[in-house]
Amino acid sequence: QKEVEQNSGPLSVPEGAIASLNCTYSDRVSQSFFWYRQYSGKSPELIMSIYSNGDKEDGRFTAQLNKASQYVSLLIRDSQPSDSATYLCAVLRSSASKIIFGSGTRLSIRP
Amino acid sequence: GEEVAQTPKHLVRGEGQKAKLYCAPIKGHSYVFWYQQVLKNEFKFLISFQNENVFDETGMPKERFSAKCLPNSPCSLEIQATKLEDSAVYFCASSQPDRTWQYFGPGTRLTVL
Repeated sequence: QKEVEQNSGPLSVPEGAIASLNCTYSDRVSQSFFWYRQYSGKSPELIMSIYSNGDKEDGRFTAQLNKASQYVSLLIRDSQPSDSATYLCAVLRSSASKIIFGSGTRLSIRP
Repeated sequence: GEEVAQTPKHLVRGEGQKAKLYCAPIKGHSYVFWYQQVLKNEFKFLISFQNENVFDETGMPKERFSAKCLPNSPCSLEIQATKLEDSAVYFCASSQPDRTWQYFGPGTRLTVL
């Protein structure tokens, strides 16, 4: 079992709709959770971080964390073609430790 | 600087040759991380530093890979006697000591022929 699991996609969503990305992790002591966006040929870009159970909203993005279920999700509202990218779920056990990445979900927003 | 800088952008080596990659972390960031990304977005952690000290080297293939972060110099990742399977994009990331998130550099694409 991988430490961080994501559906590889591709996930195709019409423009203007809500895109929902999911991630599960296996290490219960993990403390910090991130979503990175990676465009093809580019470096990962941090878009959301979440540390406690519940929802965290930032603009069109909402991250959700459920530590009991070891589940993290990212919602993108009013999806735009520019949101088409690979979204990487990332987990950190503690500050300054290595990031464990999922294999990424490829999101495609169709006009 | 305000961004993680990595050089070179691309590096091509024949099998068996040496490759050396460089990373300058964001000013004020005391932690540096190296990751290897191969096909299908699989990221592999290699090594991390706290200032010039190795913090975690559990991901390093020790036979051919080495890394340093010396004071007042860019950090480096060196691969002796490269193999075909070393072909990947190598990302450097840095973070502040009291922060959990890591900022990534643009990466160095290494191609071993």
